[in-house]
Amino acid sequence: AQSVTQLGSHVSVSEGALVLLRCNYSSSVPPYLFWYVQYPNQGLQLLLKYTTGATLVKGINGFEAEFKKSETSFHLTKPSAHMSDAAEYFCASAGGYNKLIFGAGTRLAVHP
Amino acid sequence: DVKVTQSSRYLVKRTGEKVFLECVQDMDHENMFWYRQDPGLGLRLIYFSYDVKMKEKGDIPEGYSVSREKKERFSLILESASTNQTSMYLCASSLTLAGGGLNTEAFFGQGTRLTVV
Repeated sequence: AQSVTQLGSHVSVSEGALVLLRCNYSSSVPPYLFWYVQYPNQGLQLLLKYTTGATLVKGINGFEAEFKKSETSFHLTKPSAHMSDAAEYFCASAGGYNKLIFGAGTRLAVHP
Repeated sequence: DVKVTQSSRYLVKRTGEKVFLECVQDMDHENMFWYRQDPGLGLRLIYFSYDVKMKEKGDIPEGYSVSREKKERFSLILESASTNQTSMYLCASSLTLAGGGLNTEAFFGQGTRLTVV
């Protein structure tokens, strides 16, 4: 069965520092992978997605993620954190009928 | 812009009540989903629907049912609300690609925070 594991339920960084949020997946077939962001009291918004082709995927707000098949990973990065990046981030894998299997989420705190 | 609208942002219901959560999307999407979000557990799929009047159980369907009489509307029903159903409920919709591709984005509503007392 497909599953998604996010390492670290809470990550705290300083403003301007590198953001690294970790995601590992398990899948017996080539995966379709997504990162979503949820701001307080909001629904989820797509940051980026990997389908096929280029393994480095660029998303909105300066985020990017790299698909590494050998490591079954899809980590999310941003070179320089901004206060507005504070949110909860979810990694997800797509299954049949486009249903998404989510990781447990990582709450990102950005401090001055 | 795609819009997924959930009828209520906050609901407080009593134990044993029948509760309806409504979701409407305006982009003619075939697929609609109900997720439950709890701290530390991420989003868990309750039910989904890939066509009108079609429904499939997700990972945690117990205590819930759904209805999809029209393409744009997907309702989640708590037959007899219990305190362990206190949670954030998120509705989503997505398009079905020709050939069954799985790379379409799911669009989410704002969520309904349900408290059962």
